[in-house]
Amino acid sequence: GEDVEQSLFLSVREGDSSVINCTYTDSSSTYLYWYKQEPGAGLQLLTYIFSNMDMKQDQRLTVLLNKKDKHLSLRIADTQTGDSAIYFCAETPRGRTSYDKVIFGPGTSLSVIP
Amino acid sequence: NAGVTQTPKFQVLKTGQSMTLQCAQDMNHEYMSWYRQDPGMGLRLIHYSVGAGITDQGEVPNGYNVSRSTTEDFPLRLLSAAPSQTSVYFCASSRDRRNTIYFGEGSWLTVV
Repeated sequence: GEDVEQSLFLSVREGDSSVINCTYTDSSSTYLYWYKQEPGAGLQLLTYIFSNMDMKQDQRLTVLLNKKDKHLSLRIADTQTGDSAIYFCAETPRGRTSYDKVIFGPGTSLSVIP
Repeated sequence: NAGVTQTPKFQVLKTGQSMTLQCAQDMNHEYMSWYRQDPGMGLRLIHYSVGAGITDQGEVPNGYNVSRSTTEDFPLRLLSAAPSQTSVYFCASSRDRRNTIYFGEGSWLTVV
């Protein structure tokens, strides 16, 4: 079956690094995404990685993909209070004919302590 | 550039009432969808559309209807609201199945 799992809560101190983890079950996934949802707002795409990549870096964000363990992580360096939000991991299984099969995790609520 | 616009942002309904959540996008996207977000459950797909005149059911379609008469608009109708439909609803669109999904700001619905 298709499932995406994440821890529901993470708390870090300002200036530290945050690591949000995600595991997925569909090994055929082609795209894996991280979305950010700030309070009272919709989801915004933070970054994504193709399944043929191991790592992607974008400024303070580093995405690591371990295909063998079906594990995806998002590292936020120098975490700021503005990073407090819910972070959703999502996958698009291979071979799907429409994006309705984007599978979202339950979201990790990141709290940054000043 | 408005992106995906949803209205209303907040709504309180009585059980049994009907209402329509509006969604419009100005990006000429073919794909549009409605999700509901409940605590600890992530986003669940209600209905989606791959183009004007074409709609299909998602994971949790019961109690909801949709139509897609134009590329821009994709309204979600609650026919007879139930407390279980208390949720946050997100409309989303994308150019095609491989492109980034853009979300609206959300509609907070409470059914009492």
